[in-house]
Order: sequence, then C-alpha cells, then structure tokens
Amino acid sequence: DVKVTQSSRYLVKRTGEKVFLECVQDMDHENMFWYRQDPGLGLRLIYFSYDVKMKEKGDIPEGYSVSREKKERFSLILESASTNQTSMYLCASRPPGLNTEAFFGQGTRLTVV
Amino acid sequence: AQSVSQHNHHVILSEAASLELGCNYSYGGTVNLFWYVQYPGQHLQLLLKYFSGDPLVKGIKGFEAEFIKSKFSFNLRKPSVQWSDTAEYFCAGRRSQGNLIFGKGTKLSVKP
Repeated sequence: DVKVTQSSRYLVKRTGEKVFLECVQDMDHENMFWYRQDPGLGLRLIYFSYDVKMKEKGDIPEGYSVSREKKERFSLILESASTNQTSMYLCASRPPGLNTEAFFGQGTRLTVV
Repeated sequence: AQSVSQHNHHVILSEAASLELGCNYSYGGTVNLFWYVQYPGQHLQLLLKYFSGDPLVKGIKGFEAEFIKSKFSFNLRKPSVQWSDTAEYFCAGRRSQGNLIFGKGTKLSVKP
C-alpha cells in the first residue's frame, strides 16, 4: 500500500511564526502536491513538484513556499503565518504517467492564533 | 479556464435511497476524472476514476459514475445508500500540467 505520511495531525502556531509542514511518501513517486482544504471551497492547489529540487506554483501560492531536497519528502513552508492560513493541509503523491491516481496523506490541521 | 463544479453542497438521504451527485467539468483535451471520498476523520480515498474507454465506471463500495462527454458531466451514483456512506465526496479532474483540480465537495448525510 502506498503511504503518504504528514508529520503532524494538529498544529497550533502564532501569527508571524515560520511554519514547516512535512510530507513523506514511501513509493518513490515523482509527483508530489500540497493542497489546502477549507469548508465550502474544496481542495485548492498550493504548490506541486515533478522532481527533486523542482517546484511549480499552484492556484494559491501566496504566503507559501516549498522545498523538495529528496524525492520522498516535500515540505510546505509558511514564511510568516497569518490567521487566514488556518486550514487543513493535505499532501499527495502520484507516480508518473497519464493513467495514474494520486494518494493523499491524513492531513495537518493548522491553527494560527 | 479548467474547472470542476459540483452541484450540491449538502445532500441528506434516508438509508436505502438512491444517490446521484452531480459533477461538471469545463476543459478540453484528454479528460481524466475522479471521485474521491473523505469519511469523517479519515484521509481522501479514491472511489473511482475514468481515463478512457467504457464511460460507465464502477468503483468501490457499490459506487459508479457515468462520463457523458456531450454534457461535460461525470455524475456519481449508488442505487441504495447506507449510513456508512455518510462522508464528503469530491469530484476532480486532471489538468494538462498533471495536477488535480477539485470541485467544492458535496457532504452526504445518510439517516438511519
């Protein structure tokens, strides 16, 4: 079974803090993604990566950055956390190819106070 | 712009009722469509997927979906729901860059 593991289920951070959300997958997938999930808005793509050291902006990248130093790990960074970044963050990975599905982690619920 | 829309925000059904959740997409080219489900407190799981071929796709737990190209639709169906189907359902499509674009989700509540 594919496993996508997010380091924390729940996080509480203060406004202005630098926050790191970590995601690790164990299936050697090239593609990894970060989404945020908000009630009534569904999942929105923040950043994605097709390979090590490679990153692409998604639909809502403002206030976020990412790091992919190793193939299995994709980190989401909130440079200076704000209350409007309180959300559920979901990491996903997908193997290469057209007819492949994405696998999701359990999510990290981040609260910024 | 590529988009996926879901018609219903919240659907409430009694057990044994039939289910149909609407999903429309608006992009051309190769169409890859998915339905994911999120049970309370759990991670997103794939219910079914359409890549090509037979437009009627069968998934897990008795769910199916029909891809109708002329209507740009990919509706999810189940003939008889159970209380355990209570969850949030997301329709998604693959964009040309390879990432998924999601609809806003439909919460399904099944009354026992």
